[in-house]
Amino acid sequence: NAGVMQNPRHLVRRRGQEARLRCSPMKGHSHVYWYRQLPEEGLKFMVYLQKENIIDESGMPKERFSAEFPKEGPSILRIQQVVRGDSAAYFCASSPPGSGRAFEQYFGPGTRLTVT
Amino acid sequence: AQSVTQLGSHVSVSEGALVLLRCNYSSSVPPYLFWYVQYPNQGLQLLLKYTSAATLVKGINGFEAEFKKSETSFHLTKPSAHMSDAAEYFCAVNAISSGSARQLTFGSGTQLTVLP
Repeated sequence: NAGVMQNPRHLVRRRGQEARLRCSPMKGHSHVYWYRQLPEEGLKFMVYLQKENIIDESGMPKERFSAEFPKEGPSILRIQQVVRGDSAAYFCASSPPGSGRAFEQYFGPGTRLTVT
Repeated sequence: AQSVTQLGSHVSVSEGALVLLRCNYSSSVPPYLFWYVQYPNQGLQLLLKYTSAATLVKGINGFEAEFKKSETSFHLTKPSAHMSDAAEYFCAVNAISSGSARQLTFGSGTQLTVLP
């Protein structure tokens, strides 16, 4: 059973470019979460999505950041006009439906974004 | 509101010695609590979780944690450290019945070094 997949694993962008990070949840999981880890810090919640719906985006910066989880295909975290402060590791997690294990979040390997 | 404090950003133990990583939480509602481990350049792996059942929780790789409501603590222990335990460990809380349900709040992490 494949785990959460993220690509690319490493992404280098120049200031002002766009970054697109992809996340495929574990098979059977219908909930996706994005977290950001800045150097020497813990993970910070960004957004929680279900298929075609944003459930909680309270951790998303107000500008330049957006996320989607379409009916078909992976979840996408999009950062427009990147700045150096966006350099971080971005982790995606997924959890299964239902109440029993709904709060177990399984993490992908992350995408390390470097803005030059 | 919820928060997690991990005491000690770096902990060193000798191989074979007891591992104790401290975690204190704050939550206005009954929490779910988690410990994750992160190896260099990898994602987070779930070690164990507390979801209001038994207060002593056993996880993978010989780790366990005890939920103590009176102390608002969820410390992680392992009787005998192995070299392969060297990694960063994160404690996380999920306030399941608050408005930010499903959002994991992480501590800042504890880097565990195991000395030969």
